[in-house]
Amino acid sequence: KNEVEQSPQNLTAQEGEFITINCSYSVGISALHWLQQHPGGGIVSLFMLSSGKKKHGRLIATINIQEKHSSLHITASHPRDSAVYICAVRSRNTDKLIFGTGTRLQVFP
Amino acid sequence: GAGVSQSPSNKVTEKGKDVELRCDPISGHTALYWYRQRLGQGLEFLIYFQGNSAPDKSGLPSDRFSAERTGESVSTLTIQRTQQEDSAVYLCASSPSLSGLVYGYTFGSGTRLTVV
Repeated sequence: KNEVEQSPQNLTAQEGEFITINCSYSVGISALHWLQQHPGGGIVSLFMLSSGKKKHGRLIATINIQEKHSSLHITASHPRDSAVYICAVRSRNTDKLIFGTGTRLQVFP
Repeated sequence: GAGVSQSPSNKVTEKGKDVELRCDPISGHTALYWYRQRLGQGLEFLIYFQGNSAPDKSGLPSDRFSAERTGESVSTLTIQRTQQEDSAVYLCASSPSLSGLVYGYTFGSGTRLTVV
């Protein structure tokens, strides 16, 4: 079993839909990151969380430390949101990032 | 520069040749990471440098892979006797990491390595 699990693996949506991507982890962490990888391969760091909730534009990220779970929400989705979204946790013990396998999102107009 | 810079952006090499990939982290970032992403797969950790500590090499897939870092600046990832399975995007990230504290990461744009 992977230490970081994401669901779903693939997601398609119509423009305007509300999207949720989930991340569960099994190790002790010092932080959780949500990353966005565009088709060209570039990676952008969206959020870093250690507790609670953060919002940036149409993106919202939440984390529940007790349940070892985080969600990334996209409101009013748009085709330009199409990308792979990656959850990564920073291990408290090793200080390394452990990556989920990503969620491939396609938003159609 | 303002971001993490990697070079070259693309590299095509013949099987059996050695390649060297370069990463210039953000000035002042003490932590530097190399990752690999094969086509259609997730990110794999390769190696981690933190200040003057011994690097964590636990992710290097074979002894053909090595990496060095000069102080807290440039890092080079070297792959000797390249194989086709080495074809991947090699990503570098840096972080102003200090033990016990939590900072974000900045990724470079990657080097796409193709071994033919």
